[in-house]
Amino acid sequence: GDSVTQMEGPVTLSEEAFLTINCTYTATGYPSLFWYVQYPGEGLQLLLKATKADDKGSNKGFEATYRKETTSFHLEKGSVQVSDSAVYFCALSDQSNTGKLIFGQGTTLQVKP
Amino acid sequence: GAGVSQSPSNKVTEKGKDVELRCDPISGHTALYWYRQSLGQGLEFLIYFQGNSAPDKSGLPSDRFSAERTGGSVSTLTIQRTQQEDSAVYLCASSLGLARTDTQYFGPGTRLTVL
Repeated sequence: GDSVTQMEGPVTLSEEAFLTINCTYTATGYPSLFWYVQYPGEGLQLLLKATKADDKGSNKGFEATYRKETTSFHLEKGSVQVSDSAVYFCALSDQSNTGKLIFGQGTTLQVKP
Repeated sequence: GAGVSQSPSNKVTEKGKDVELRCDPISGHTALYWYRQSLGQGLEFLIYFQGNSAPDKSGLPSDRFSAERTGGSVSTLTIQRTQQEDSAVYLCASSLGLARTDTQYFGPGTRLTVL
């Protein structure tokens, strides 16, 4: 079945460091790919998405490129801030037209001043 | 506009009791989803609705779980004879449709604790 694998956390960085959170997926066909973020005490929010190969999603300084050849959707940010501390979830929506999201396990990011 | 709302935000119940969790989706969204977030299982999909119809209930963990949606709007997730393993955060999401490109918007969740 379809699945999403994320790098294990927690990831601890200093402010202004470069961030990469790895995400790879297994799916048939052409899924859509998403990054959701969950800030402490809050609900899941969409951070960015890409719906076809080579698309780049971007938002709030975060970027991720849909790489079909490597089945990856790694999240990057050039300079993290303390306010980016949160749990990040990679997810896919397959071609079944159910809209069902399959999530990775989540990666906790802690940014220290 | 208003986002997805869920009630209650917290629910503590005793083992064996029934609970009802409510979700109000974004107005105009025809698709509605329930997920469960727990420490051991991560985020798992439970059920989806297109309008008032739930075509596939295979994601529900057991026959103690049921869900309905009325008027193409509000949905209720019911857990009968709750067990301690049901303790989790139950998340509801809605989207315009079921296409893989449609974005799902999540509510704040209901934290269920079964004592």
